[in-house]
Amino acid sequence: LAKTTQPISMDSYEGQEVNITCSHNNIATNDYITWYQQFPSQGPRFIIQGYKTKVTNEVASLFIPADRKSSTLSLPRVSLSDTAVYYCLVGDWDNYGQNFVFGPGTRLSVLP
Amino acid sequence: EAGVTQFPSHSVIEKGQTVTLRCDPISGHDNLYWYRRVMGKEIKFLLHFVKESKQDESGMPNNRFLAERTGGTYSTLKVQPAELEDSGVYFCASRLEGSYNSPLHFGNGTRLTVT
Repeated sequence: LAKTTQPISMDSYEGQEVNITCSHNNIATNDYITWYQQFPSQGPRFIIQGYKTKVTNEVASLFIPADRKSSTLSLPRVSLSDTAVYYCLVGDWDNYGQNFVFGPGTRLSVLP
Repeated sequence: EAGVTQFPSHSVIEKGQTVTLRCDPISGHDNLYWYRRVMGKEIKFLLHFVKESKQDESGMPNNRFLAERTGGTYSTLKVQPAELEDSGVYFCASRLEGSYNSPLHFGNGTRLTVT
């Protein structure tokens, strides 16, 4: 059962701002929204996490509306090295507790 | 702080052989997870340890897979006997216990090829 929905792929050019939106309609009250970046031959790497409103760090911003049913990862002024797959994760609560389910992610291609 | 480390980074074995993958989580992280991605598919959950206990093993594909975490430190994932469809990348992740906003920290995975 899919917990998150993202666009499969996006293209951008160097220097542009990229916004990737993730839908998580069934997010639980306690869940945080976490975004990961993955390069080939590496494990997913934590980018940013938020619960509501806006979060900003040195690499990205995360916008979360009041209903928390979606979130938008914003990458300012992307470079070629930002070409990667981006995943948003929320918790998957079941009888065993909290788990995390990956969707297919968004494959971002940054072009020169 | 050392990150999550996995060993080996690559393993090539023949069908029917046994392989053991190892994961060393970040020190102090009680939660340890195993995930797998087979070719062309999404990253799938396998199981979750809290300390030495299996909290959730609902994602383990069959009884050829055995995960252990003796002493609540490092974990091993053994595949015996390996089949062709077990080929893929096996990721380990760890996180702190008791905090909803504690993110997963992943290792770089073990690429398993069964021939």
